[in-house]
Amino acid sequence: GQNIDQPTEMTATEGAIVQINCTYQTSGFNGLFWYQQHAGEAPTFLSYNVLDGLEEKGRFSSFLSRSKGYSYLLLKELQMKDSASYLCAFLDSNYQLIWGAGTKLIIKP
Amino acid sequence: GAVVSQHPSWVICKSGTSVKIECRSLDFQATTMFWYRQFPKQSLMLMATSNEGSKATYEQGVEKDKFLINHASLTLSTLTVTSAHPEDSSFYICSARTLTQGDTGELFFGEGSRLTVL
Repeated sequence: GQNIDQPTEMTATEGAIVQINCTYQTSGFNGLFWYQQHAGEAPTFLSYNVLDGLEEKGRFSSFLSRSKGYSYLLLKELQMKDSASYLCAFLDSNYQLIWGAGTKLIIKP
Repeated sequence: GAVVSQHPSWVICKSGTSVKIECRSLDFQATTMFWYRQFPKQSLMLMATSNEGSKATYEQGVEKDKFLINHASLTLSTLTVTSAHPEDSSFYICSARTLTQGDTGELFFGEGSRLTVL
């Protein structure tokens, strides 16, 4: 079967670093996405990983280990505007996106 | 990045009426479009996948006669909620993808349409 799991909620301090983990199980895999979603808005694309390793893009980095079925999103120098839900999702063998339930990130001053 | 425009952003309608939501890819040709629904405090749920020029593929539990999807061109897909009822009130989001050689399969999302059925 397929499943994907990420923490429901995390809290961090402005200026700090936070790592949001995502674990998944699937027989077919075509890459993993991270999206950011502010309340009441559509998700916006953050990153896509299909090979093992770390992809860095400004303050955000994403890591993938296919053998472990594991990914994380790393946010540095946190800003108040980073308060949002972060969704991980993988593309299965049929190119369907399988979504996690999202991690609500709360940033405190 | 590519732009997907969704219209209308907000719609309020009476129970029993039909509502059409449009999803347009503005600067690329979308071979595949996806329609999602999101209830409050829940994740996005895929409703259906449509490929240009063919019938949509609906996910289990989604009524194809109630949620009519048309993908008549490479830049436009429409979702029509027929005979809407209050339980259909939700946030509907479309996304588009074009699969070309070397493409990551990145999805581009519309702004979403919030439907309220009275």
